[in-house]
Amino acid sequence: EVQLVESGGGLVQPGGSLRLSCAASGFTFSTYWMQWVRQAPGEGLVWVSRIASDATTTYADSVKGRFTISRDNAKNMLYLEMDSLRAEDTAVYYCARAYYSSSWTQLDYWGQGTLVTVSS
Amino acid sequence: QSALTQPASVSGSPGQSITVSCTGGSSDVGGYKYVSWYKQYPGKAPKLIIYEVSNRPSGVSDRFSGSKSGNTASLTISGLQSEDEADYYCSSYTSRHTFVFGTGTEVTVL
Repeated sequence: EVQLVESGGGLVQPGGSLRLSCAASGFTFSTYWMQWVRQAPGEGLVWVSRIASDATTTYADSVKGRFTISRDNAKNMLYLEMDSLRAEDTAVYYCARAYYSSSWTQLDYWGQGTLVTVSS
Repeated sequence: QSALTQPASVSGSPGQSITVSCTGGSSDVGGYKYVSWYKQYPGKAPKLIIYEVSNRPSGVSDRFSGSKSGNTASLTISGLQSEDEADYYCSSYTSRHTFVFGTGTEVTVL
């Protein structure tokens, strides 16, 4: 059974840093592309970042230069390092697995999410 | 990258069909066949229901169908049921090799 379990969320002051983790199991993690998606309270889904199986990365403009996505295939772990956090980064952060059909553009499994609150 | 435009809410009676639209531009929806749709219950993670415009993942009801014309993708739910009451989001790959979600649509079963 595919499982994605996020952790690392919490309360952080503006300008602070936080690292989110996503533990993957039930599939060959190293061969899949992975993404982070966030959702502010009461708001819609917003794409954050993706990492390919070869570790190449892309980011949304709103987090570029502040967030870093990475993976440890030996540990089946996905990470999101978040620096220079702002109030507008407050959200539930989901990790999700990309499913391959003719592309890696759909997310077939999602974690339960971890809440990040940026506030003084 | 601005969010794709969806109606805030759509409603229908049980058994009816409804359509949710998702409008972008030539650099996202109009330029690729990589449009997905997700269903989300409050407080829960999203679930993939349509990928690559019109494909349904295994286990998803055939009451859900997707299509695209120009810069607008559409999700149709036929034979509306109470369990269809949820938020629905479209998503598209973009020319900048990023992704963008829609603004979200709340579907209400009357």
